[in-house]
Amino acid sequence: DAKTTQPPSMDCAEGRAANLPCNHSTISGNEYVYWYRQIHSQGPQYIIHGLKNNETNEMASLIITEDRKSSTLILPHATLRDTAVYYCIVRVGGGATNKLIFGTGTLLAVQP
Amino acid sequence: GAGVSQSPSNKVTEKGKDVELRCDPISGHTALYWYRQSLGQGLEFLIYFQGNSAPDKSGLPSDRFSAERTGGSVSTLTIQRTQQEDSAVYLCASSHQRGPYNEQFFGPGTRLTVL
Repeated sequence: DAKTTQPPSMDCAEGRAANLPCNHSTISGNEYVYWYRQIHSQGPQYIIHGLKNNETNEMASLIITEDRKSSTLILPHATLRDTAVYYCIVRVGGGATNKLIFGTGTLLAVQP
Repeated sequence: GAGVSQSPSNKVTEKGKDVELRCDPISGHTALYWYRQSLGQGLEFLIYFQGNSAPDKSGLPSDRFSAERTGGSVSTLTIQRTQQEDSAVYLCASSHQRGPYNEQFFGPGTRLTVL
């Protein structure tokens, strides 16, 4: 079972920041938080990952709470092409396997 | 560079037939994964290959499912005696294996329809 909880859907106005929350209250100390997204009819796409510190790349920012029980993915200026299902994943296993356990994700609908 | 490729893109088969799905990972990626996504569902892990290690088959739903990876590169997922519940998009992914970092690159998937 997925170790994360996300809202099933969210709306965001084009050009605005999209803030996608994720709860992972049972995360272990050595587990990373990964975010992927899946645009309709495509394979999932990696966005960002983090362990403890906040992270930023060209796609998004990841804010992880100090207790690591939740995180927020921020798309600073959402566009229509950002409409997708966003998956928050806690990486299971270590060394021997790196499978990703996908939950149901959040469907982000960016509105014009 | 070239990404993960999968073939065929679509496959329609009759119940009871065997099917083979192919995945070509990104060159140099030592890890290869198979997932499937049923209509309206999230992704379900099936199997994982890493170098010469024994594969992690913990996600295969039944013994009708098997996969192999030849020469550490191309992988084939085989489904024997297909059932209608096998209808799904089958996704392949590959990654480098460097410590805990694990960015998986996904292919476009094979849409399998079992009539």
